[in-house]
Amino acid sequence: SQKIEQNSEALNIQEGKTATLTCNYTNYSPAYLQWYRQDPGRGPVFLLLIRENEKEKRKERLKVTFDTTLKQSLFHITASQPADSATYLCALQEAGSYQLTFGKGTKLSVIP
Amino acid sequence: DADVTQTPRNRITKTGKRIMLECSQTKGHDRMYWYRQDPGLGLRLIYYSFDVKDINKGEISDGYSVSRQAQAKFSLSLESAIPNQTALYFCATSPRDRTYEQYFGPGTRLTVT
Repeated sequence: SQKIEQNSEALNIQEGKTATLTCNYTNYSPAYLQWYRQDPGRGPVFLLLIRENEKEKRKERLKVTFDTTLKQSLFHITASQPADSATYLCALQEAGSYQLTFGKGTKLSVIP
Repeated sequence: DADVTQTPRNRITKTGKRIMLECSQTKGHDRMYWYRQDPGLGLRLIYYSFDVKDINKGEISDGYSVSRQAQAKFSLSLESAIPNQTALYFCATSPRDRTYEQYFGPGTRLTVT
């Protein structure tokens, strides 16, 4: 069966450290993989997208990697700040499909 | 979020009642979506629409119906609400050429008692 798994429900890290979140999938062939941020009581906000033929994407303090052999994406936040505390969702879209499938999310807490 | 609005933001209703959730957008996007989010289950797609005349079922459409009244408006109806439809409902939009990039509204918290 198809599954998207985000490695942990919650992750606590110290301010200034790099946060690394993991997204694994099985029985999908994603053309795109994305990361969203969701704050309590609000809708998800699109952060970054990486295509199947790309290994890495960066945006300011954010970095996403995509390994189609391992079927895994890593999402890094460098120099983390308390304002980065939120739930982060990965989502994938297969080629020829118009649907996004979301993971359950990882709740990140950055401790001052 | 301000480009995609949802009404109401919170609603409590009783089992068996009909309820409509509304979504409006000013982004000019062709594509609109309805999702529900449940604790521990993540976001799941209910319906999506590519334009006013093109509506498609998503992963969990049973018990729901939709109406695309205009490019900017997409409504979700629960014909006869049941308690397991208690959830957070999100509307989203995407541009025609970048369906993978979705913009979400603030959500409607629906409770069915």
